[in-house]
Amino acid sequence: KAGVTQTPRYLIKTRGQQVTLSCSPISGHRSVSWYQQTPGQGLQFLFEYFSETQRNKGNFPGRFSGRQFSNSRSEMNVSTLELGDSALYLCASSIASGPSTDTQYFGPGTRLTVL
Amino acid sequence: AQSVTQLGSHVSVSEGALVLLRCNYSSSVPPYLFWYVQYPNQGLQLLLKYTSAATLVKGINGFEAEFKKSETSFHLTKPSAHMSDAAEYFCAVSDLDDYKLSFGAGTTVTVRA
Repeated sequence: KAGVTQTPRYLIKTRGQQVTLSCSPISGHRSVSWYQQTPGQGLQFLFEYFSETQRNKGNFPGRFSGRQFSNSRSEMNVSTLELGDSALYLCASSIASGPSTDTQYFGPGTRLTVL
Repeated sequence: AQSVTQLGSHVSVSEGALVLLRCNYSSSVPPYLFWYVQYPNQGLQLLLKYTSAATLVKGINGFEAEFKKSETSFHLTKPSAHMSDAAEYFCAVSDLDDYKLSFGAGTTVTVRA
């Protein structure tokens, strides 16, 4: 069974641009979570989706948004990029209940660099 | 909000020695606790999780962790380190129906030959 896939793996953008990252969960998984990883702030929760509904959202500005499609694939969007948005963005999927108890399977991440 | 504290950002051990990584959680109600490992340029992989069943949890790659409510701790151990254990380890916590994980700052493990 294929793992969680994230595209693209690497991305370079300039300040003010917007970016869309994609995540395809493991087949049959319905919960998708997004995390931002930086050397300074560590791993921080962005949002979690289940059946196209956002169930929880982290403490990030409104420039960060996401959505989930009927096939469970998810995208996150960052508008008006800032230098501080440079990070590894990780997507994780789990079967049903979500990150609290289900095992979460992480993708390799998308490395975003903002110049 | 739930949080975890990992004591020690770097741990260096000799091959074959005990690996001990410390994690303390902040909660009056036992939460769900996890240990994840991250190898360079990769995502996170679950080592083990505690969800209020047995207090001694065995995971993959020879790791185990013991939940101690009196100490609000969930330390990760491995009796004998292997070179392949060199990685970054994260402790994480969640409440039921919270739909998110809160991670500690991470501990980088280096293994000396």
